[in-house]
Amino acid sequence: DQQVKQNSPSLSVQEGRISILNCDYTNSMFDYFLWYKKYPAEGPTFLISISSIKDKNEDGRFTVFLNKSAKHLSLHIVPSQPGDSAVYFCAASGSNFGNEKLTFGTGTRLTIIP
Amino acid sequence: DAEITQSPRHKITETGRQVTLACHQTWNHNNMFWYRQDLGHGLRLIHYSYGVHDTNKGEVSDGYSVSRSNTEDLPLTLESAASSQTSVYFCASSRLARTGELFFGEGSRLTVL
Repeated sequence: DQQVKQNSPSLSVQEGRISILNCDYTNSMFDYFLWYKKYPAEGPTFLISISSIKDKNEDGRFTVFLNKSAKHLSLHIVPSQPGDSAVYFCAASGSNFGNEKLTFGTGTRLTIIP
Repeated sequence: DAEITQSPRHKITETGRQVTLACHQTWNHNNMFWYRQDLGHGLRLIHYSYGVHDTNKGEVSDGYSVSRSNTEDLPLTLESAASSQTSVYFCASSRLARTGELFFGEGSRLTVL
């Protein structure tokens, strides 16, 4: 049972345009959400996070939006750059599950077209 | 600089063999994790530890074991390797504070023939 879902396995976006990556979750006990970025042959690296008490968090070109009622979050990248081409994983955690244990989605491969 | 390292980075083994993947971190983090990455499944948690002598099963723990004898290391052992365990394995560590932020190693690619 996939508790964190990324329904788009891949996404292609023109350089300079906005990239929107989506993530849905089913477990209402999740209260902290994160995005990780992964390049080939490297480990995932933390990108941005949001607590369930917020609905938006922004860090430079990256913004994460959380819609708790819909159990949906999205990552916006504006403007998209070639270096943003990577696999993006959505992840979630809940205080009832332990401090740091994360449940990851299946990932979305983002390709930025020059 | 503090870091997390995995070894070996690549390994080919045969069905039934015992395999151990090493993970070493120098951040002095209490929390350590092993994930496997497979196409269509993303990252799935195998085992995790919140401190020395503490180990816990994740969602795909069958066929795997871990031990935590010190803060720095969390080796992952496949007691009898199976072809279904062909995967890329990632070790990660984090601080105690509930930030959710994990630091990942570069991964170990295991092929079981």
